[in-house]
Amino acid sequence: GAVVSQHPSRVICKSGTSVKIECRSLDFQATTMFWYRQFPKKSLMLMATSNEGSKATYEQGVEKDKFLINHASLTLSTLTVTSAHPEDSSFYICSAREQGNEQFFGPGTRLTVL
Amino acid sequence: GENVEQHPSTLSVQEGDSAVIKCTYSDSASNYFPWYKQELGKRPQLIIDIRSNVGEKKDQRIAVTLNKTAKHFSLHITETQPEDSAVYFCAASINSGNTPLVFGKGTRLSVIA
Repeated sequence: GAVVSQHPSRVICKSGTSVKIECRSLDFQATTMFWYRQFPKKSLMLMATSNEGSKATYEQGVEKDKFLINHASLTLSTLTVTSAHPEDSSFYICSAREQGNEQFFGPGTRLTVL
Repeated sequence: GENVEQHPSTLSVQEGDSAVIKCTYSDSASNYFPWYKQELGKRPQLIIDIRSNVGEKKDQRIAVTLNKTAKHFSLHITETQPEDSAVYFCAASINSGNTPLVFGKGTRLSVIA
């Protein structure tokens, strides 16, 4: 199946710093990618839909100025958590769908904000 | 928008027994229903999916049924093994490239040897 990579896999940062997470589709072009957040023992919650060449669509309750999304090419979307705080600590997972079929997930990024 | 409910939240079965997880969805336009297995700290892995033009699909020990009228779908795992222990998520969406999956809250399955 298609491959989605994500980097970094794990990051620990101090409160107030910004963290950038990259999501790449390695063997297919993804005009749309999705960013999810998963807290411990909880389900995957959609944060935003990332659209190549246009603004991301954010879910209700997700601050667009705090979670900056850039989808500059058909294979790369980035999520930047600005001024991260301990409550932003979570497992962030991106995904992409190939032609409306299976949704492939990246390996996830575990963010810990001290 | 779509809302997916999943039950039970936890499920313990003896090795060799069957496990059933049920989900309901709200949007009648949804036509794609995948099931994912997630192990601790790992990404969700697709184990089976079903589209609205069929009522049942089977892959070895795993089967999924769909009732479009009632808007519910179920995952059936037979002859469970300890390695089946994980969290299982159902999801629903409209089958298009720019539509995200909406997930249920997950079921933690424990298979006791």
